[in-house]
Amino acid sequence: QLQLQESGPGLVKPSETLSLTCTVSGGSISTSYYYWGWIRQPPGKGLEWIGSIYYSGTTYYNPSLRSRLTISADMSKNQFSLELSSVTAADTAVYYCARRPGDHSSSGPKHAFDIWGQGTMVTVSS
Amino acid sequence: QSVLTQPPSASGTPGQRVTISCSGSSSNIGSHPVNWYQQLSGTAPKLLIYGNNLRPSGVPDRFSGSTSGTSASLAISGLQSEDEADYYCATWDDSLNGRNVFGTGTKVTVL
Repeated sequence: QLQLQESGPGLVKPSETLSLTCTVSGGSISTSYYYWGWIRQPPGKGLEWIGSIYYSGTTYYNPSLRSRLTISADMSKNQFSLELSSVTAADTAVYYCARRPGDHSSSGPKHAFDIWGQGTMVTVSS
Repeated sequence: QSVLTQPPSASGTPGQRVTISCSGSSSNIGSHPVNWYQQLSGTAPKLLIYGNNLRPSGVPDRFSGSTSGTSASLAISGLQSEDEADYYCATWDDSLNGRNVFGTGTKVTVL
């Protein structure tokens, strides 16, 4: 059974870089036609898509975060990562990683985030 | 800020039918399938409906989705206490070079 687990520092100082990793077990992030995404949720607020990386390595970013964002993948470790630079208090949120099957994926609901990690809280504060 | 608008709250008594709306535009709901997520307090979102009206395995048939033009709806029939949660619509939006978008969210309260 596929599982995703976020990890990283729970506290980041303003102006520094937020770095998180999502470790995937029970399946491979290199499997064709799947996207691997990051979504965040500020305390008491709604969900915001941050960005995704396709199995091929192509990345897709939220335009509002693109200038500060890098998403990458390490196939050997079956992990994908998020780096968000120049953080402010507005970046304080629970960060989730999730899988999204694409058009030609072999299983799973197409174009929906179907499997999520439990989430990790990141606070930006000095 | 979200391009998908939902009412902030909805409520009903056990057994009632509750409907949640999601209003978008031609660049999102009007062009792409809609998904719905249920988020129980303190937990990660769970996929409830995908492809406008399809239920993943394990989701009760009390939950149903529909679309019409640039709007979508989620209906919960036979409301149960465990349905008390936040609900989000989501889809792809073609503007700004494309992006996944979520609705503003609706808190469903079981009275």
